[in-house]
Amino acid sequence: RKEVEQDPGPFNVPEGATVAFNCTYSNSASQSFFWYRQDCRKEPKLLMSVYSSGNEDGRFTAQLNRASQYISLLIRDSKLSDSATYLCVVRIGTGGFKTIFGAGTRLFVKA
Amino acid sequence: GAGVSQTPSNKVTEKGKYVELRCDPISGHTALYWYRQSLGQGPEFLIYFQGTGAADDSGLPNDRFFAVRPEGSVSTLKIQRTERGDSAVYLCASSPPGGAGELFFGEGSRLTVL
Repeated sequence: RKEVEQDPGPFNVPEGATVAFNCTYSNSASQSFFWYRQDCRKEPKLLMSVYSSGNEDGRFTAQLNRASQYISLLIRDSKLSDSATYLCVVRIGTGGFKTIFGAGTRLFVKA
Repeated sequence: GAGVSQTPSNKVTEKGKYVELRCDPISGHTALYWYRQSLGQGPEFLIYFQGTGAADDSGLPNDRFFAVRPEGSVSTLKIQRTERGDSAVYLCASSPPGGAGELFFGEGSRLTVL
């Protein structure tokens, strides 16, 4: 079983749609959680951190459920520029910083 | 710019050859990571360093892969006896001390083994 699993995608949505990505992690020692965005042939970049209380950044909302070992990302009012791969990321342990990426979910937003 | 720098950006080699990939992290970043990414996949963890020492090398696929960071700054990923399956983009990232865990990536080194 992979340490971080994501919806396989791709997701094809029209502009203005709301889209949700799901992610599960297997290591109960996971301490920190993130969503990264990766554009085609570019390096990954941090989109947002994920906190147990949930957090929002404009059109983006991230949620964490530690009991279920589940992370989500919601994008409202999708824009063409949101088209990218979204990577679920988990940092494991308190003494170390091993950081594991999911396989990513590809999003295509169409006009 | 003061970002993570990786060289070479592209490397084509023949099966069986030895390659070195270099990463120059952001100044002051103590943690340094190497990942491998194949087409359509997420970055696969290889190894990370805290300072000069490899804190976790559990992702290195076999003993043909080795990485060093002798002075706690620049790191080199070394691949011996390359195989066609080693073809991928090798990504390096660094992270500041005491930070929230954000990784700052370089643009990667694309390795093609013929």
